[in-house]
Amino acid sequence: QVQLQESGPGLVKPSETLSLSCNVSGGSISNFYWSWIRQPPGKGLEWIGYISYNGITNYTPSLKSRVTISVDTSKNRFSLKLTSVTPADTAVYYCAREGYYDSRGYLRPGYFDQWGQGTLVTVSS
Amino acid sequence: EIVLTQSPGTLSLSPGEGATLSCRASQSLSDRFLAWYQQRPGQAPRLLIYGASSRSAGTPDRFSGSGSGTEFTLNISRLEPEDFAVYYCQQYGDSPLYTFGQGTKLEVK
Repeated sequence: QVQLQESGPGLVKPSETLSLSCNVSGGSISNFYWSWIRQPPGKGLEWIGYISYNGITNYTPSLKSRVTISVDTSKNRFSLKLTSVTPADTAVYYCAREGYYDSRGYLRPGYFDQWGQGTLVTVSS
Repeated sequence: EIVLTQSPGTLSLSPGEGATLSCRASQSLSDRFLAWYQQRPGQAPRLLIYGASSRSAGTPDRFSGSGSGTEFTLNISRLEPEDFAVYYCQQYGDSPLYTFGQGTKLEVK
């Protein structure tokens, strides 16, 4: 069973860059798609973006100008960078695995079947 | 962007009862690309249903999903104490612009 674990600073100052990593164990990162999702305290879920096994990225439009997701296959992990943060970016950040095989055997992005435990990042001076 | 609206916002029921949660999409979802997640307090969401009606590995059979187009339902028969949680629907038909519903809180009456 694949396991995901987020790591990174729990406190970031306004205008600085939030950087998180997600370590994947129990399976290769060279398959599936790998996403970041966040949840402000007491609120719902927001998909941030994904990176595919071959490096293709897609981001939610509202964050696209500030987000970069990258992958390090040698270390079996992927990372999130969010620039110019404000208190509105305070949230629990989850990494997740997504993807399914369609009827023709192609891997497609879609739903999230494995999640990390999440890490709270607070943006405050 | 496809907007998902879940109802009710809060559902108060007793263990042993059945629950019906709804998720309405602002546009028709192709190929029933809708998933349901359960989130218990302090935990990460857990995938329950994908493809509108397929149970994920480990999902008890008291959970069932149905629907198509813009109307989807999650049914839970015979509520167990561990089922009281927040439930989210998520569409992936407008990939890669995934969106989640705002959630339904299932609480003990």
